[in-house]
Amino acid sequence: DIQMTQSPSSVSASVGDRVTITCRASQGISNSLAWYQQKPGKTPELLIYTTSSLQSGVPSRFSGSGFGTDFTLTISSLQPEDFATYFCHQTNSFPYTFGQGTKLEIK
Amino acid sequence: EVQLVESGGGLVQPGRSLTLSCRASGFMFEDYAMYWVRQDPGKGLEWVSGISWNSGRIGYADSVKGRFTISRDNAKNSLYLQMNSLRGEDTALYYCVKDRGTGFGSSWMTAWGQGTQVTVSS
Repeated sequence: DIQMTQSPSSVSASVGDRVTITCRASQGISNSLAWYQQKPGKTPELLIYTTSSLQSGVPSRFSGSGFGTDFTLTISSLQPEDFATYFCHQTNSFPYTFGQGTKLEIK
Repeated sequence: EVQLVESGGGLVQPGRSLTLSCRASGFMFEDYAMYWVRQDPGKGLEWVSGISWNSGRIGYADSVKGRFTISRDNAKNSLYLQMNSLRGEDTALYYCVKDRGTGFGSSWMTAWGQGTQVTVSS
C-alpha cells in the first residue's frame, strides 16, 4: 500500500503569511494527488486535483505542485478563512490513502 | 444539486455486523465511482473502500479487507457497505463520497455526504 506522509502535522501562521505543506508518497504516484480542506464540523472540500489543477471556485492563492513522490500545497497569502486542516490524498492505486493531515492555526 | 444521504449507522457490539447505505441524487449515479471514507472525530481521514461505476473495480483498505464488502445498486441509486466482525477501531463517522468519474482513470472526490456514525462498543 502507498503511505502518504504529510508535514508538518500542525503549523501556526498569521494572516498574510505564505504557507507550504508537503506530502510524500512511499512510492511514485505520478500526478494522482488531490488536496482537501476541512473545517471543524464540516465535510472535506476539494481544493486541488491531479497535483496542480485548481477546483472551480477555489481562490487562486492556493496552488499545488510536484510529481512522483513529493508534492506541495502552497497558500500564498493566508486569509482568515484558510485556518483549517488540510489533507493530501493519493488516487494512483487501490487502496487509496490520505495523509494524516496538517492543522493550520492562527498565530 | 448532488446529494448523498447515508444511513444505517448506530451502536453495535464488537463482533457484530452492520450495513450502511447511501442514497444518491442530483447526478447520474450509474456513471460514477463511489467510496466510503471514515473519520474518527478530531482525527484524520481514512479511505475505507471504493467501487467503480460498473462494480468492475473494487478495493479495500487493509484494515477492513475480509470484513467489509462494498456494493452498489445502480437501479436504486444506492451504495452499500456491509460491515462484519466489527471492532472498536471501526468506530467513526462514515462518509459516502462521489468520484469525478467512472473509477477508471484519474480520480478525485467531488462530493461528500454528511456521514453516519458507527460506534462499536460493548
